[in-house]
Amino acid sequence: DAKTTQPNSMESNEEEPVHLPCNHSTISGTDYIHWYRQLPSQGPEYVIHGLTSNVNNRMASLAIAEDRKSSTLILHRATLRDAAVYYCILSGGGTSYGKLTFGQGTILTVHP
Amino acid sequence: DAGVTQSPTHLIKTRGQQVTLRCSPKSGHDTVSWYQQALGQGPQFIFQYYEEEERQRGNFPDRFSGHQFPNYSSELNVNALLLGDSALYLCASSLAAANTQYFGPGTRLTVL
Repeated sequence: DAKTTQPNSMESNEEEPVHLPCNHSTISGTDYIHWYRQLPSQGPEYVIHGLTSNVNNRMASLAIAEDRKSSTLILHRATLRDAAVYYCILSGGGTSYGKLTFGQGTILTVHP
Repeated sequence: DAGVTQSPTHLIKTRGQQVTLRCSPKSGHDTVSWYQQALGQGPQFIFQYYEEEERQRGNFPDRFSGHQFPNYSSELNVNALLLGDSALYLCASSLAAANTQYFGPGTRLTVL
C-alpha cells in the first residue's frame, strides 16, 4: 500500500485557517486521497477526498499538488470542535481498494 | 437517517473466551468493513464483507472471523481472546462501488 507522511501534531487558534499537510510520494495513478478525522472517544469521520483536482465541501477544502505527491487539508476557520486526529489516506488503487490504511495521523490542537 | 450502529458499546471478557460484536450499516449501504484500534494507534483493517462474502482481509489471524447477513448487517467474532485483543473495534459501511466509508462509534473490548 502506498504510504503517507504527516506531522505528528499541529496547533492553531480558534477562527484562524489551518493547513494540514500530507506527503504521498509513492501515490499511484488510481489512488484517491482521503481525509478522515477522529474526535476523542468517537469513530473516524469522513472529511473529504479527491483524485487530481482541488475539492471543496462544507467541512473543508483539499488542495492537491500538480504531481499528486502531496496534498493539504484546509480548514478555513478552525473551531474548538475541530480538535481531533486527522488522517490522510490513499485508497482506491489496485489491491488497496476497499480498505483504508490509517497511519498515526496529525493531532490538531485548537486554542481558544 | 440512522448512521452506522454498533453493539455492545463496551464489553469485558477474559483470556480464552470468545466474543461477537455486531454492526448495522448506514441505510442504503451494502458493504461492511471492520477495524481494530489499539490505544494511541490508528485503526487497522481487519476485513471487509460484500454480498455476504469476505472480499478483502488484513493481516489478522484466523481467530478473527466475520459474517454478513442478507440485510447487510455484520458480525465480528474473535475466538481464544488474548490480552492484546483489547481495543476499540470499529465498523464502517459503504457502497460497493464507492470508496468512502462511514464509521460507527465502536465497541470497546477489554480482555482481562
